[in-house]
Amino acid sequence: KAGVTQTPRYLIKTRGQQVTLSCSPISGHRSVSWYQQTPGQGLQFLFEYFSETQRNKGNFPGRFSGRQFSNSRSEMNVSTLELGDSALYLCASSSGQSQETQYFGPGTRLLVL
Amino acid sequence: KQEVTQIPAALSVPEGENLVLNCSFTDSAIYNLQWFRQDPGKGLTSLLLIQSSQREQTSGRLNASLDKSSGRSTLYIAASQPGDSATYLCAVKVGSNYQLIWGAGTKLIIKP
Repeated sequence: KAGVTQTPRYLIKTRGQQVTLSCSPISGHRSVSWYQQTPGQGLQFLFEYFSETQRNKGNFPGRFSGRQFSNSRSEMNVSTLELGDSALYLCASSSGQSQETQYFGPGTRLLVL
Repeated sequence: KQEVTQIPAALSVPEGENLVLNCSFTDSAIYNLQWFRQDPGKGLTSLLLIQSSQREQTSGRLNASLDKSSGRSTLYIAASQPGDSATYLCAVKVGSNYQLIWGAGTKLIIKP
């Protein structure tokens, strides 16, 4: 079974631009969660999608948004990029059951200049 | 508000030693606790998941314990190897949603 894949792996943008990151979950998984990892703040939860619906959201500004498609693939979008958005963005998938672990992709490293 | 703390932030030990990593959390109302490892520049790999009703889980040379009443978990690594060098993170799942609250991690270096 293929693991979680994320594209692109690396991205360089400038302030004010927008970016879209993609995540393909493990086949059969219906839940996709997104996390931001920075040296200063560590890992922080962005949001979680289950069956195309946002089920939970962390404390990030509205510039961060996401969606999930019928095949469970998910995208997250960050508009009006700021320098502080430079981070490793991780996607995780699971079946959606509360007792299950999440399987993480390799991440997309975003650098905002 | 749930907070997760990991001590120490970094640890360096000679190969072959047994070692313990610590994780503490402030609110005992958790669904489960998980230990992950992260290799430089890479994603996270789940090591062990302990449900709130369990006291410990074992996988190979790894053993994780959970004491909800004291808000503590430990990850025991037996006979450490250089390949164990990584950052180890613990995370607790809170409430009926799927939000994980993360510790800052312990960076482990095993010296050959």
